[in-house]
This record gives sequence, structure tokens and C-alpha cells, in this order.
Amino acid sequence: GNSVTQMEGPVTLSEEAFLTINCTYTATGYPSLFWYVQYPGEGLQLLLKATKADDKGSNKGFEATYRKETTSFHLEKGSVQVSDSAVYFCALYSNTGNQFYFGTGTSLTVIP
Amino acid sequence: NAGVTQTPKFQVLKTGQSMTLQCAQDMNHEYMSWYRQDPGMGLRLIHYSVGAGITDQGEVPNGYNVSRSTTEDFPLRLLSAAPSQTSVYFCASSYLRQGNEQFFGPGTRLTVL
Repeated sequence: GNSVTQMEGPVTLSEEAFLTINCTYTATGYPSLFWYVQYPGEGLQLLLKATKADDKGSNKGFEATYRKETTSFHLEKGSVQVSDSAVYFCALYSNTGNQFYFGTGTSLTVIP
Repeated sequence: NAGVTQTPKFQVLKTGQSMTLQCAQDMNHEYMSWYRQDPGMGLRLIHYSVGAGITDQGEVPNGYNVSRSTTEDFPLRLLSAAPSQTSVYFCASSYLRQGNEQFFGPGTRLTVL
């Protein structure tokens, strides 16, 4: 079956610290992988994506690389800002199930 | 483009009442879905549709009905509300193709007393 396992939170970092949020998946076929971000009181919005092995998605200083050998899609940012405080969701889409599968979300708080 | 719109934004119901949460998209997406978001549970899929006239159950379908008579609209009906249905509900849509992301609505916060 298809599933996403995401690093438990909450995560609290100081401004300019390095961020890693771990995400691993199980999937049949060749899924697409996504990171979404949810700011307080809002819906989810796409942060970045990768559609095949070894692809790197990047946006707003965040990066994640699709690693088929370790079935992982870890989110990284070199220097976080207070404005990055949000909940981050890892997700996959598999066309063998016609569904998107989401992790449980990781809450990030960045303190000045 | 308005994207994905949801109404209402907030709703309070009494146990046993019924209501419909509205969702519409103007991007001609084939795929539409409903999720509920509860603390510590992430997003759980309620129902989804791959096109007009086609719906299917997700992980937590009990107590909810859907229909898809047009490409644009995908309403979610609560048949007899229960306190366990207190949650934030999100509608999302996408093209049904590998690599295409889902677009989310702003959510409906529902409280059942």
C-alpha cells in the first residue's frame, strides 16, 4: 500500500538555524512527492515537489530530493526565518490508487 | 481564477442536524477530494472523485455523502451531525496526472454541539 511517515513535532528553532524535517514513504509504482505548508488559519499550499527519482524540488530556500533507494523526501532549509513558522506536510500521489497520501504534519516554530 | 472556494467558513450545528459544505473550483480539474483535519491526526481523506458522476470512499467516509454532478462542484453532506464530526474540513482539486499537485480551499471550521 501507499503511506507517508513524517517526523514528529513540534520543532522549535532559533532564527538562522538549519532545518531538516524527515519524510519517508512506501508506495506501489512510481509516486510523485510533495511538501505542503500550512500557515495558521489557512489551507495547505504547495511548497515544492519532485516527480521522479533524484529530482530536487526547491522553493523559497527550501529543498528536498527524491531518494528512491532510501524511499525518502526530507525537507531542508539552510537558514530559517520567523516567517517560516507553520505546519509542514509531506505527501505522495500514486496513480495506482488515484489518491494523495499525507503525513501527519510537523509544526515548526522559529523564535527570534 | 478564484481557485478552490469553500462555504461556509464557520458553522455550528446541533447533534442530529444535517448540512452541506460547498466546494467549487474553476480550474477544470478532474480530481476533487474532501479531507478533515484534526489535531495530531494530519489530513484524513473522506471522499474523492475522479470526474463528474464518479465518487469513491476514502479513509473516513462514515457519516458523509458526496455527489459530483458537474466538474466544478463537489458538495459534502453531513447526514446527521455528531460531536465526533467537529473538525476543519478542506476541499482540494487537481488534474489527474502524475506530478500535478492538489490545490486546497481555505477550509470550513465545523463545530457540532
